[in-house]
Amino acid sequence: DGGITQSPKYLFRKEGQNVTLSCEQNLNHDAMYWYRQDPGQGLRLIYYSQIVNDFQKGDIAEGYSVSREKKESFPLTVTSAQKNPTAFYLCASSPNGGIGEKLFFGSGTQLSVL
Amino acid sequence: KQEVTQIPAALSVPEGENLVLNCSFTDSAIYNLQWFRQDPGKGLTSLLLIQSSQREQTSGRLNASLDKSSGRSTLYIAASQPGDSATYLCAVKLNTGNQFYFGTGTSLTVIP
Repeated sequence: DGGITQSPKYLFRKEGQNVTLSCEQNLNHDAMYWYRQDPGQGLRLIYYSQIVNDFQKGDIAEGYSVSREKKESFPLTVTSAQKNPTAFYLCASSPNGGIGEKLFFGSGTQLSVL
Repeated sequence: KQEVTQIPAALSVPEGENLVLNCSFTDSAIYNLQWFRQDPGKGLTSLLLIQSSQREQTSGRLNASLDKSSGRSTLYIAASQPGDSATYLCAVKLNTGNQFYFGTGTSLTVIP
């Protein structure tokens, strides 16, 4: 089945630790996105990538880093510089340039601080 | 910057009722608007996508309309069912750039 796979579903971070959230898609989409969702708030864009080896900061990039070495993979690292990392993280992709530009989402990763 | 607002934040209706969810946006230069459903602890599922040149889209009991000039979209749900209970979000994509701008969602509860 085509889709977006996020792992793990739940993740716990200790103080001062970096953690990496995985996002893989087999939809052959060019564009990929990372969003953060906090209770009662809308989705906020962390980073997005339109093409391999290129990515841009979103509205809340501080404390996060990404890489796009392969078209199908867009991992997100939450660094120790992110002081309030507890949130639900969503990865998405879109065809980028095709008619429709529909956005497709993974099932999310809940990150909590120990 | 595009601001997207959804009112009400929460809605509770009896089963069988028809209902309307609202989405408003500040910049009318949109490329498309998308409605999503989100169940607790899950990702977003796309329901309907309306291109800027379209006025409405329908899928089963769902109908979404778009009025760019007034910066508004509505999602109409006919004959609501308990399985429709979820949070509904709208998102707009502008003509320029590659960002999608999301509303904060409307939490819908359909009471059996």
